[in-house]
Amino acid sequence: AQSVTQLDSHVSVSEGTPVLLRCNYSSSYSPSLFWYVQHPNKGLQLLLKYTSAATLVKGINGFEAEFKKSETSFHLTKPSAHMSDAAEYFCVVSDRGDYKLSFGAGTTVTVRA
Amino acid sequence: EAQVTQNPRYLITVTGKKLTVTCSQNMNHEYMSWYRQDPGLGLRQIYYSMNVEVTDKGDVPEGYKVSRKEKRNFPLILESPSPNQTSLYFCASSSILAGLQETQYFGPGTRLLVL
Repeated sequence: AQSVTQLDSHVSVSEGTPVLLRCNYSSSYSPSLFWYVQHPNKGLQLLLKYTSAATLVKGINGFEAEFKKSETSFHLTKPSAHMSDAAEYFCVVSDRGDYKLSFGAGTTVTVRA
Repeated sequence: EAQVTQNPRYLITVTGKKLTVTCSQNMNHEYMSWYRQDPGLGLRQIYYSMNVEVTDKGDVPEGYKVSRKEKRNFPLILESPSPNQTSLYFCASSSILAGLQETQYFGPGTRLLVL
C-alpha cells in the first residue's frame, strides 16, 4: 500500500526567492507521482507528474520535481517565487496496477511581497 | 471543452435525508473517483471506478455509495447523511495507461453541509 508524507504544512517565502516543498512517499511497486496545486476556492490542477521516465520532471509555471528512489522523495522546487504561487500544494502517489490514489495532507505556500 | 462537472455545487441538508451528488466527464476516461477534502487532512479517496460496473472502496467509504452504469457518469450517494459528512467533495477522472494513473481532471467541487 502506498502513502505520502508532506513534511511541511506551511511554507512562507519572499517573492523572487526559491521555493522547496518536500514530499516523501512509500510504495510497494514502481509508482506514479504527481504534484497538484489548489488556489483558494478552486479545484485542483496538475503541476507535474512522474511515471518512470526521466527522474527530473518539469511542470507548468516554472516548477520542477526530482524523483529520488533511494530517498523515496519527490520534492517540488521553483527557483523564483511569484505572488501567484500562493496556494495549497498536494503530493500524490499511485502504485502501478493499484488504482487507489493517496494524497499528502498538503502544504500551504504564502508569498511575501 | 474537456471537463468534469458536478452538481450541485453547494448543498445544505439535514441528518438522514438521502442525497445524490452527480459527476459527469466528457473525456471518455475509464477511471473516475470521489474525494472529500477536510482541513489538515488533504484529499481522501472515497470510492473509485476503473470502468463501467467496476467500483472499489477508497480510504473512507463508510456512509457512501456509488454506481457506474455509464462511462461518463459516477454519482455519489449518501443514503443517510450525518454531520461528520460535512465536507468539500471532488469528483475526478483520468485515463489509465499500462497500469499507471494518468493526470486526474477534477471537478469544481461540491460543498456539503449536513445539519
